Amino acid sequence: QTVVTQEPSFSVSPGGTVTLTCALSSGSVSTGYFPSWYQQTPGQPPRTLVYSTNIRSSGVPDRFSGSILGNKAALTITGAQANDEANYYCVLYMGKGIWVFGGGTKLTVL
Amino acid sequence: EVQLVESGGGLVQPGGSLRLSCAASGFTFSGYWMTWVRQAPGKGLEWVANVREDGGEKFYVDSVKGRFTISRDNVKNSLYLQMNSLRAEDTAVYYCARWYRDGHNHFDYWGQGTLVTVSS
Repeated sequence: QTVVTQEPSFSVSPGGTVTLTCALSSGSVSTGYFPSWYQQTPGQPPRTLVYSTNIRSSGVPDRFSGSILGNKAALTITGAQANDEANYYCVLYMGKGIWVFGGGTKLTVL
Repeated sequence: EVQLVESGGGLVQPGGSLRLSCAASGFTFSGYWMTWVRQAPGKGLEWVANVREDGGEKFYVDSVKGRFTISRDNVKNSLYLQMNSLRAEDTAVYYCARWYRDGHNHFDYWGQGTLVTVSS
């Protein structure tokens, strides 16, 4: 059973920088897993932020950036704003049509 | 403008069945894999199923195999999820999403979701 792990919660000050990570139970996350990141606020559907590790979706501010850090996928928010407070999900493509989401990170901006 | 609009959710008893629909517009529906993702109340996202452009290939998360069937109608530009033998743990908002596969696998568009509640 493949498990994708994210920090359950994180806090950042307005204007600060935070890096959320996405780890794989069975090894390292690489670009071959096509890590993507989604932002979700209460009552709303997910919004695509970053895909294929580090490509920002259309309209996403450049304060959001994706990368591989060590053996994990990472989403960095630089210059956090109050409206960045949300849940963030990563998802990895396992191949053969199978996707696995991480448990999500609840980001608080205060 | 790409739009995905889910419908068909509601209250159903354990062991019952429900069929979800997702009406797609604003793009060539027959050119994309499509996906269902669900979210239990207060919980995270869970990938449920995918279907190939022509409906000929389908994949499911283990917990729904044998109970759920994903399908599509490329004439009606619609995606479906037939859910049988429903359990309390299937209670969730069900989202349909477009799977962009052209070298950058990801879900690029999402619907607003439809709520399925399994309860007696």
